[in-house]
Amino acid sequence: DAKTTQPTSMDCAEGRAANLPCNHSTISGNEYVYWYRQIHSQGPQYIIHGLKNNETNEMASLIITEDRKSSTLILPHATLRDTAVYYCIVSIMDSNYQLIWGAGTKLIIKP
Amino acid sequence: NAGVTQTPKFRILKIGQSMTLQCTQDMNHNYMYWYRQDPGMGLKLIYYSVGAGITDKGEVPNGYNVSRSTTEDFPLRLELAAPSQTSVYFCAGRDPSGNTIYFGEGSWLTVV
Repeated sequence: DAKTTQPTSMDCAEGRAANLPCNHSTISGNEYVYWYRQIHSQGPQYIIHGLKNNETNEMASLIITEDRKSSTLILPHATLRDTAVYYCIVSIMDSNYQLIWGAGTKLIIKP
Repeated sequence: NAGVTQTPKFRILKIGQSMTLQCTQDMNHNYMYWYRQDPGMGLKLIYYSVGAGITDKGEVPNGYNVSRSTTEDFPLRLELAAPSQTSVYFCAGRDPSGNTIYFGEGSWLTVV
């Protein structure tokens, strides 16, 4: 079973920041938090990952709480093309790299 | 999708038929994966491979087989198709740094 809990769906206005929460209260010390998204049944797309520190790249920012039991993915200026299912996954970065996928959050960006 | 190519994109099978989903990558990924995704659900790992000649079962391997004779190719075989295998199948490869998995565009399979 997935080790994360996410809301089933969320809305966000175009141009605003989209904040997607994820709870992972049983995360282990060596587990990373990964975020992927899936646009309309295409193959999932990697967004960002982190261990303890906050991370930022060209797509998004990842904020991880100090106790690491939850995190938030931030899309700073959401566009209609960001409408997708967003998956939060925790996993150790080992040789098997098996990701356990939950149902994700359906994010709808509204004009 | 960073060089992961799946074929066919769509296929309809009759119960009991066999088929192979092809997956090839040109990014020198050592690690490759096959997932299935049922409607409204997350992905479930069927099989994975950490290199040529090495494969292992994932969460839902029953009814499937794989081989990895080369680094580039990782075909998924369905021997006796069943309606429960109606799903979307994704092949993926992991980049050498280990941070990112790249997915193919998916193969839609219907068993009737």
